[in-house]
Amino acid sequence: DAGVTQSPTHLIKTRGQHVTLRCSPISGHKSVSWYQQVLGQGPQFIFQYYEKEERGRGNFPDRFSARQFPNYSSELNVNALLLGDSALYLCASSLSQGLFSGNTIYFGEGSWLTVV
Amino acid sequence: AQSVAQPEDQVNVAEGNPLTVKCTYSVSGNPYLFWYVQYPNRGLQFLLKYITGDNLVKGSYGFEAEFNKSQTSFHLKKPSALVSDSALYFCAVSAYNFNKFYFGSGTKLNVKP
Repeated sequence: DAGVTQSPTHLIKTRGQHVTLRCSPISGHKSVSWYQQVLGQGPQFIFQYYEKEERGRGNFPDRFSARQFPNYSSELNVNALLLGDSALYLCASSLSQGLFSGNTIYFGEGSWLTVV
Repeated sequence: AQSVAQPEDQVNVAEGNPLTVKCTYSVSGNPYLFWYVQYPNRGLQFLLKYITGDNLVKGSYGFEAEFNKSQTSFHLKKPSALVSDSALYFCAVSAYNFNKFYFGSGTKLNVKP
């Protein structure tokens, strides 16, 4: 089975532009979360979606938005890009919402965004 | 508020020696604790988790971690380090019924031959 797949793997954008990052969860997984990892830091939670509904939001401005599609894939959108948005954006998937012994969260390889 | 502290930015060990990567946490309610490893320019790979049950948790690649509620710690251990274990290790905690993790700042493990 394929793992969590993300696209694009690398991209360069100019300040003020917008970007769309895509994520396909592991087959059968219904929960998708997004994290931002700035160089030298741990990942920071942005959003969680489960069954196409937003279930959690981190401390990020409204320029960040996301959605989940009927096939459980997800998009992260960032508008009006700033230099500080340069980071590795990680998508994570799990079977369902909630933490129980049978549920593990798996991360994709990430999308490297550079804003110039 | 939930938080994770990884007090060491870097840990150096010789191949074949035991290794410990430290993690302490602060959480309201029962903690759910995880370790992930990140190789250069890669995503996070799951190593192990503590949800409930035995305090000693065994994970992938020979790693284990011990949950200590009184010390609010969840240190990662391995009896015999390999050069290939050299990577960035992240501890994470969640205390909610959804998948929001709070990550530590990471510890770089260097295993020298």
